[in-house]
Amino acid sequence: GAVVSQHPSWVICKSGTSVKIECRSLDFQATTMFWYRQFPKQSLMLMATSNEGSKATYEQGVEKDKFLINHASLTLSTLTVTSAHPEDSSFYICSARGVYYNEQFFGPGTRLTVL
Amino acid sequence: KQEVTQIPAALSVPEGENLVLNCSFTDSAIYNLQWFRQDPGKGLTSLLLIQSSQREQTSGRLNASLDKSSGRSTLYIAASQPGDSATYLCAVKPRDSNYQLIWGAGTKLIIKP
Repeated sequence: GAVVSQHPSWVICKSGTSVKIECRSLDFQATTMFWYRQFPKQSLMLMATSNEGSKATYEQGVEKDKFLINHASLTLSTLTVTSAHPEDSSFYICSARGVYYNEQFFGPGTRLTVL
Repeated sequence: KQEVTQIPAALSVPEGENLVLNCSFTDSAIYNLQWFRQDPGKGLTSLLLIQSSQREQTSGRLNASLDKSSGRSTLYIAASQPGDSATYLCAVKPRDSNYQLIWGAGTKLIIKP
């Protein structure tokens, strides 16, 4: 139980385009979802926290207009990287927490490469 | 402000050895501490979660300990195997956090056949 999936697992796009990444909790209802990014050889950096049905809370330094987060249902959250640039290339990981869990369950990550 | 440190940043040992990875944190007011494994280019696999009231957790060849008073946790790996090669991350959930985790930078472990 407590499986989280991400789609796509990797994506390559041209500079200036927008990319949407999906995060799904497959067997539980995720009241809270978290989005992280990870640069090579570095640890995870929390970007934002989203609760179902409400606006995401962004960490300091993360542009909310650049990284749009939607948590419209208890099993799906999306991260849209708008007008992507090469510096947005990174590994994006989501995690989800359900009502009855005291821990986060992590997705497999999405590798974004912006050319 | 809670800070989590993992030393060493990298470790290489021969197959079969027992080894210890270290994680230290600056504020003992934690809810739990969790150890993860990350393979190159992959997501995270949760290994062990220790609640603040617990001293250790075991899963197979892995044993994690927690000493809140000294702000330290160790991950002990017995009889290491090449398949154990990965980056190991520890993360602390502060007692007053909104389920946010504070992450260490990780220890990259290489087990040589």
